[in-house]
Amino acid sequence: QSALTQPASVSGSPGQSITISCTGTSSDVGSYNLVSWYQQHPGKAPKLMIYEGSKRPSGVSNRFSGSKSGNTASLTISGLQAEDEADYYCCSYAGSIVVFGGGTKLTVL
Amino acid sequence: EVQLVQSGAEVKKPGESLKISCKGSGYSFSDHWIAWVRQMPGKGLEWVGIIYPGDFDTRYSPSFQGQVTISGDRSISTAYLQWSSLKASDTAMYYCARHLNRDYFDYWGQGTLVTVSS
Repeated sequence: QSALTQPASVSGSPGQSITISCTGTSSDVGSYNLVSWYQQHPGKAPKLMIYEGSKRPSGVSNRFSGSKSGNTASLTISGLQAEDEADYYCCSYAGSIVVFGGGTKLTVL
Repeated sequence: EVQLVQSGAEVKKPGESLKISCKGSGYSFSDHWIAWVRQMPGKGLEWVGIIYPGDFDTRYSPSFQGQVTISGDRSISTAYLQWSSLKASDTAMYYCARHLNRDYFDYWGQGTLVTVSS
């Protein structure tokens, strides 16, 4: 099972919106609406930001939203803030296993 | 409050064995899957495998099958990840996480850094 494909890096200015894509296959992202997204700051454990495609856990800002089209899931962050600068990972249920994306480094300019 | 607390950093030599732990609290440990996730230095997250403490049902990523063993002890709400013969390539941070519905991870441990070097 190959890793999901994410862009290595994205950037945006404070206040702008950015979108991170996560491309899988018909065996994972395309078959299940069970994509989750994680934020990881340097030296810290990952933090759940979106689950089951578009649901936000309690305490996560509504500036974070998730969606899916076909084999590609997306994470959108609106109103970028300095503290959003981090690595972001997507993850998809794939039947008997779970597969992660390679990660995207978000830089807030 | 749900918490997962992992054992401390380890420095080992190639060929040595190791068992690291993840202790859950603040919820019914037996009722939720626990996952182990590897992060090699400067790299991304990789799903190692999972255990259901209720009946010790265990699943492994094909990439890690036969390389590690996941186990648990319900009586002390603890899950384990172990190696029988470490390699330098096992050097990584290992996280445990509560794995809800077997599709997402809502709470994470602080990580255990494993360093394997001669």
